Amino acid sequence: QSVLTQPPSVSAAPGQKVTISCSGSSSNIGNNYVSWYQQLPGTAPKLLIYENNKRPSGIPDRFSGSKSGTSATLGITGLQTGDEADYYCGTWDSSLSAHYVFGTGTKVTVL
Amino acid sequence: QVQLQESGPGLVKPSETLSLTCAVSGYSISSGYYWGWIRQPPGKGLEWIGSIYHSGSTYYNPSLKSRVTISVDTSKNQFSLKLSSVTAADTAVYYCARSVVVTAFFDYWGQGTLVTVSS
Repeated sequence: QSVLTQPPSVSAAPGQKVTISCSGSSSNIGNNYVSWYQQLPGTAPKLLIYENNKRPSGIPDRFSGSKSGTSATLGITGLQTGDEADYYCGTWDSSLSAHYVFGTGTKVTVL
Repeated sequence: QVQLQESGPGLVKPSETLSLTCAVSGYSISSGYYWGWIRQPPGKGLEWIGSIYHSGSTYYNPSLKSRVTISVDTSKNQFSLKLSSVTAADTAVYYCARSVVVTAFFDYWGQGTLVTVSS
């Protein structure tokens, strides 16, 4: 059972914007950087956002990240059919049983 | 370009030990970074198994720690995963990946390998 909660699914029409929330606690999101991963069907996850809001080389600026308190948000603007995928947040959990944690995952559907 | 490639048996019997290797190309493990294993049961989310530094320092998910061993072979530029006493619940796609530090993001991933636990 993940300690990071995401909505199971979000959807929007092509060209529109979607946001995906990732809710945690002070032991994880509240005190550590958040990253976001995109997993296209049948493929390995791909890093989209790191250190809350930075994009690796090659990731378009349609993807953005933010963090406030114990929650983080991934935004996707100008939605494209190729964005249809599962998205996961991730961060370190600094509790007594310290470990890396991923969110529950969100399926983005382009209508 | 950094590339990671998992290899190992696709079928393991219950109670036996799952063994996988991740071969790294385009970067020398001895140069730094952390090297980790992540798994994903069919239709489910991602779970971090553990990570290792080139020096051999290891970090494991507490939920799996009693059954997991991660090791590194810098001479072959690869690292390995052993998961003992497997059950059907360990059936998953296993990914290897690289992270800057153990607490940070994973920037390069292998393509993943499906391991099925079944008699």
